[in-house]
Amino acid sequence: EDQVTQSPEALRLQEGESSSLNCSYTVSGLRGLFWYRQDPGKGPEFLFTLYSAGEEKEKERLKATLTKKESFLHITAPKPEDSATYLCAVCNNAGNMLTFGGGTRLMVKP
Amino acid sequence: DVKVTQSSRYLVKRTGEKVFLECVQDMDHENMFWYRQDPGLGLRLIYFSYDVKMKEKGDIPEGYSVSREKKERFSLILESASTNQTSMYLCASSLFPSSYNSPLHFGNGTRLTVT
Repeated sequence: EDQVTQSPEALRLQEGESSSLNCSYTVSGLRGLFWYRQDPGKGPEFLFTLYSAGEEKEKERLKATLTKKESFLHITAPKPEDSATYLCAVCNNAGNMLTFGGGTRLMVKP
Repeated sequence: DVKVTQSSRYLVKRTGEKVFLECVQDMDHENMFWYRQDPGLGLRLIYFSYDVKMKEKGDIPEGYSVSREKKERFSLILESASTNQTSMYLCASSLFPSSYNSPLHFGNGTRLTVT
């Protein structure tokens, strides 16, 4: 059974204080690892897909990296508008379903 | 831009009622999904559909059924609502049959309370 664990559950940062969110996974053949952002009262919004260990993707202040056991979402010099819940999900060899982690709630104070 | 629209933002139903949650997408996507989201448990897949009139069970299908009569519409049905089905329900769609190369586009959710 595929499993995804995200840590920490919640993270408070000061504006400009860089940090990383962790996503550990076990999966029967990784086809892809996904990061989503979810704002309160809204559905998740797609950020990145990573397919193989060593791959990195960047978008503004966010950078996602992937190893064989985990992924990190690095946030550089965050701003209050980066406050959201960040979700990680994996897709296995069957290719049709995603398994999501519980999310990390990020709060960035000005 | 893909739009996935869920018909209700909030619903309050009584135990034993039959409940319909409706979802419409406007981008001719093949796949549609229903998830529920609960604190600490993340998103869990209830059902998905890769074509009209086709459906597949997800991880937690018990107590639910689905209907996809048209490509753009995917309905989730709670045959007899129970209090443990109180949750946030999220509909999603994706372009290609395989989820690994086609990100999900989510609606804004329906918060269902069963009393």
